[in-house]
Amino acid sequence: NAGVTQTPKFQVLKTGQSMTLQCAQDMNHNSMYWYRQDPGMGLRLIYYSASEGTTDKGEVPNGYNVSRLNKREFSLRLESAAPSQTSVYFCASNLGVSEKLFFGSGTQLSVL
Amino acid sequence: AQSVTQLGSHVSVSEGALVLLRCNYSSSVPPYLFWYVQYPNQGLQLLLKYTSAATLVKGINGFEAEFKKSETSFHLTKPSAHMSDAAEYFCAVRRDNDYKLSFGAGTTVTVRA
Repeated sequence: NAGVTQTPKFQVLKTGQSMTLQCAQDMNHNSMYWYRQDPGMGLRLIYYSASEGTTDKGEVPNGYNVSRLNKREFSLRLESAAPSQTSVYFCASNLGVSEKLFFGSGTQLSVL
Repeated sequence: AQSVTQLGSHVSVSEGALVLLRCNYSSSVPPYLFWYVQYPNQGLQLLLKYTSAATLVKGINGFEAEFKKSETSFHLTKPSAHMSDAAEYFCAVRRDNDYKLSFGAGTTVTVRA
């Protein structure tokens, strides 16, 4: 039972480089989310997709874009990475707004 | 906007002692409240959630939390700590029909043998 799968687990970028974080869930969940986790700040919502075909901004969307490719997959793109985007990124999903979140194991990103 | 305050970024307890993690929220209407746990190098897992059915909520691994509207609090407790409880704990809040879940800064629990 895979649950929520994120790739890659680790990534180092240089300032200005671009990359895409991939996320897939196999639980037939409608909603998917991208969070970033920084020390002392908890998790902050970057973007979410309430259902296939929709995406919305969260608390900290600047510098990021997302794509809900299909019901299973939700990717996060950094077009021009900045050191301030050094963080641990978590993808999550749930069946609907009132249901618990299931999290992936995270991507540790360093931007030099 | 919803906000959550967790008092104490680190808590150290002896094995077998009470675990108490404090969470206060700001909300103009009764919210949905959650406690999540994160073990090292893992994603978060739901411990318990409050949805207004009962003020005392029991979760997994012996944890429970009590919703106190008058104090806008949702503190997490466990009567007897186990070594496996060492983790980071997050309180979270959202409004009805709002996809945005607001997390507290987290409290790291260490358990002394």
